[in-house]
Amino acid sequence: GAVVSQHPSRVICKSGTSVKIECRSLDFQATTMFWYRQFPKQSLMLMATSNEGSKATYEQGVEKDKFLINHASLTLSTLTVTSAHPEDSSFYICSARDSNQETQYFGPGTRLLVL
Amino acid sequence: AQSVTQPDIHITVSEGASLELRCNYSYGATPYLFWYVQSPGQGLQLLLKYFSGDTLVQGIKGFEAEFKRSQSSFNLRKPSVHWSDAAEYFCAVGAAGGNTPLVFGKGTRLSVIA
Repeated sequence: GAVVSQHPSRVICKSGTSVKIECRSLDFQATTMFWYRQFPKQSLMLMATSNEGSKATYEQGVEKDKFLINHASLTLSTLTVTSAHPEDSSFYICSARDSNQETQYFGPGTRLLVL
Repeated sequence: AQSVTQPDIHITVSEGASLELRCNYSYGATPYLFWYVQSPGQGLQLLLKYFSGDTLVQGIKGFEAEFKRSQSSFNLRKPSVHWSDAAEYFCAVGAAGGNTPLVFGKGTRLSVIA
């Protein structure tokens, strides 16, 4: 149980295009999901907190118009990187909170490369 | 301020040897504590967690951790390391309820040699 999936696992795109990353909780409902970014050999950096049915809460320094987050259902949150640039290349990881266990479970991550 | 410190950036142990990864935290409320493991290019897998009760918690893959409130520590241990344990290990602290983001340490990279 407590499986979180992410799609796609890898994506390569051209500069200026938009990329959507999906995060799904497969066997539990998640009212809260979190989006992280991880640079090579570094820890996770929280980007935003996504609450089902409401606007996401962004961390300081994260552009909400560039990183669009939608949490339309209890099992799905999406992160859209708009007008991607090479500096957006990174490893993006989501986590979903299982309210029954008060634990966050992480997706496998999405490797984004912007050319 | 909430923070997690993992003092060791990189640890190398021999296969079969014991392991202890250190974690110290600073948290204003009653902490919920977690250890996650990350293999290269992968997401994070939960090893174990502590919410309350017995301060020695058992996790998956033969790992255990002990919560010591007086030392604000939650060190991860394994009696005999396997080569497959080589990975990055993250300690994290959060609030009860789980609605707030976890605060992560910077991670400890474990290398295992023959």
